[in-house]
Amino acid sequence: EAQVTQNPRYLITVTGKKLTVTCSQNMNHEYMSWYRQDPGLGLRQIYYSMNVEVTDKGDVPEGYKVSRKEKRNFPLILESPSPNQTSLYFCASSFRENEKLFFGSGTQLSVL
Amino acid sequence: AQSVTQLDSHVSVSEGTPVLLRCNYSSSYSPSLFWYVQHPNKGLQLLLKYTSAATLVKGINGFEAEFKKSETSFHLTKPSAHMSDAAEYFCVVSDLDISPTGGSYIPTFGRGTSLIVHP
Repeated sequence: EAQVTQNPRYLITVTGKKLTVTCSQNMNHEYMSWYRQDPGLGLRQIYYSMNVEVTDKGDVPEGYKVSRKEKRNFPLILESPSPNQTSLYFCASSFRENEKLFFGSGTQLSVL
Repeated sequence: AQSVTQLDSHVSVSEGTPVLLRCNYSSSYSPSLFWYVQHPNKGLQLLLKYTSAATLVKGINGFEAEFKKSETSFHLTKPSAHMSDAAEYFCVVSDLDISPTGGSYIPTFGRGTSLIVHP
């Protein structure tokens, strides 16, 4: 089944403790991206990747890192999480940029 | 710069009546426009996409949207609402962002419209 898999589904952590949210797609998509969803703000893009080893900042990249060492994986890294990063995070992929996005089920992150 | 405005944060309809979710946008070039739906505790799913081939776009589950350049609008409609349509809907504009190093498409999401369907 074609899908985007995010893990974990829920995560509670404390300020400053490094964490990684994993994202994997099995559709051989070139384009992958991360978003955060906050009430009343819609989704905002954090980072995107056009292909392996090609990443770029979205609208809200501060406090986040990403890597794209393999085509299928696109982890989101929070080196030193802060409470303002408490949010619902989505990974998405598409065959190319500006095409239909396939979304993962989301990761609800709480930073205490 | 591009932006998208969903004119209603909530829309409430009765089952069997028409649905209208409004979206206005601004962009510099020729944008692509999308509507996504998000059911509770789920990821987003594409309903339809406009790319300039036809101004009336048909999507899944009976939804359609009409691109009106003169009004910079891309409203989503459905003739008859079903209880299963209750969800959050997002309008998205994606336009070419030109930088000194090249160009890329950055999608901008609206804030969402919550569709409530009453029996």
